[in-house]
Amino acid sequence: ETGVTQTPRHLVMGMTNKKSLKCEQHLGHNAMYWYKQSAKKPLELMFVYNFKEQTENNSVPSRFSPECPNSSHLFLHLHTLQPEDSALYLCASSPKGVVGIGSPLHFGNGTRLTVT
Amino acid sequence: GNSVTQMEGPVTLSEEAFLTINCTYTATGYPSLFWYVQYPGEGLQLLLKATKADDKGSNKGFEATYRKETTSFHLEKGSVQVSDSAVYFCALSELSNTGKLIFGQGTTLQVKP
Repeated sequence: ETGVTQTPRHLVMGMTNKKSLKCEQHLGHNAMYWYKQSAKKPLELMFVYNFKEQTENNSVPSRFSPECPNSSHLFLHLHTLQPEDSALYLCASSPKGVVGIGSPLHFGNGTRLTVT
Repeated sequence: GNSVTQMEGPVTLSEEAFLTINCTYTATGYPSLFWYVQYPGEGLQLLLKATKADDKGSNKGFEATYRKETTSFHLEKGSVQVSDSAVYFCALSELSNTGKLIFGQGTTLQVKP
């Protein structure tokens, strides 16, 4: 049990489908993040939410739409994806938005997404 | 901009061998530095961290020292085990309120019995 739970663990979707990834944290943290992990590439930060407010959108295409209804839940809505969007999508949380000292990220186990 | 560079893998070692995974960074100011580990099928876990120059982070036999003069944060372990096989990520935190971590590309370690 990592404290950060992601569902589903695996997802296969066609390019015309609409699906959502879910993340839930049980750590009482106030900041949540979406990262994309592709083979042989550094982790890419996608979105950051602090106290339910989006504070960073790292030039992510609009076919990815985040939603943060409260500090414990984070969603990533997907529509009309491309095959190159296939990757491991990782959710993370931290006590607050500053990770510099004593507040590292806590990651979920990720959702393995395959776009066909 | 800020960046992190790690040695390319995979690194393949025999059990009980000495491990070094190199990490260098480029950053303005004095970021905090981290090593994360990712075991197969799991997310990333914090392994160790250092928040200022000359700090040494340590955990589970792994160590890394924050070297400002060489902008490095190399990961070392004196005697690796098969269970250490994983992907290791070096990261730095940007000095902002967004909590943004910059990761290296990861180094795969394979330890053979």
